[in-house]
Amino acid sequence: EAGVAQSPRYKIIEKRQSVAFWCNPISGHATLYWYQQILGQGPKLLIQFQNNGVVDDSQLPKDRFSAERLKGVDSTLKIQPAKLEDSAVYLCASRSTGGTRDTQYFGPGTRLTVL
Amino acid sequence: AQSVTQLGSHVSVSEGALVLLRCNYSSSVPPYLFWYVQYPNQGLQLLLKYTSAATLVKGINGFEAEFKKSETSFHLTKPSAHMSDAAEYFCAVSEGNTGFQKLVFGTGTRLLVSP
Repeated sequence: EAGVAQSPRYKIIEKRQSVAFWCNPISGHATLYWYQQILGQGPKLLIQFQNNGVVDDSQLPKDRFSAERLKGVDSTLKIQPAKLEDSAVYLCASRSTGGTRDTQYFGPGTRLTVL
Repeated sequence: AQSVTQLGSHVSVSEGALVLLRCNYSSSVPPYLFWYVQYPNQGLQLLLKYTSAATLVKGINGFEAEFKKSETSFHLTKPSAHMSDAAEYFCAVSEGNTGFQKLVFGTGTRLLVSP
């Protein structure tokens, strides 16, 4: 079974530029999460999707961050415009609604550096 | 609100020594608890999980953890450390058996293993 895929793995941009990250969850997983992991901290949930609907985006900075999950499969997280404090690893995770529904599976992450 | 406290941002052990990583949680409902491991430049990998069944949980790579409700703890142990165990370890909590699982992570403990 293929794992959660993310791209790009690394991205360097200057502040005020825009950037987008892509995530492909494990096949059949209805729930998809985006986390932000700042250096030295644990991951923090940004947004959670169930199929193509948003379940929780309470910690998403909506003035600059946006996310979508078209057709309930792939998802894209966008930052526009980026700030220095957005430098972090962005992790995507997915979860089954079946037998392993209590477990989130994580992708390798995208490391964003904002200069 | 749920939270997790991981005591010690760094833990150093010698190869072959006991590994003990501490995690205390706070939850107003019966929790599910997780330990994840993160190797450099990789995503999070599930080590083990407690989901209200047996209180002593065995995971991958020889790790285990014991859920102690009276102490609100879920410490991670391994009898004998190996060099390959050097990584960052995260404890996480979620509200028990709910449909939309939201993980709250601790700040992580970096395990250093010396020869």
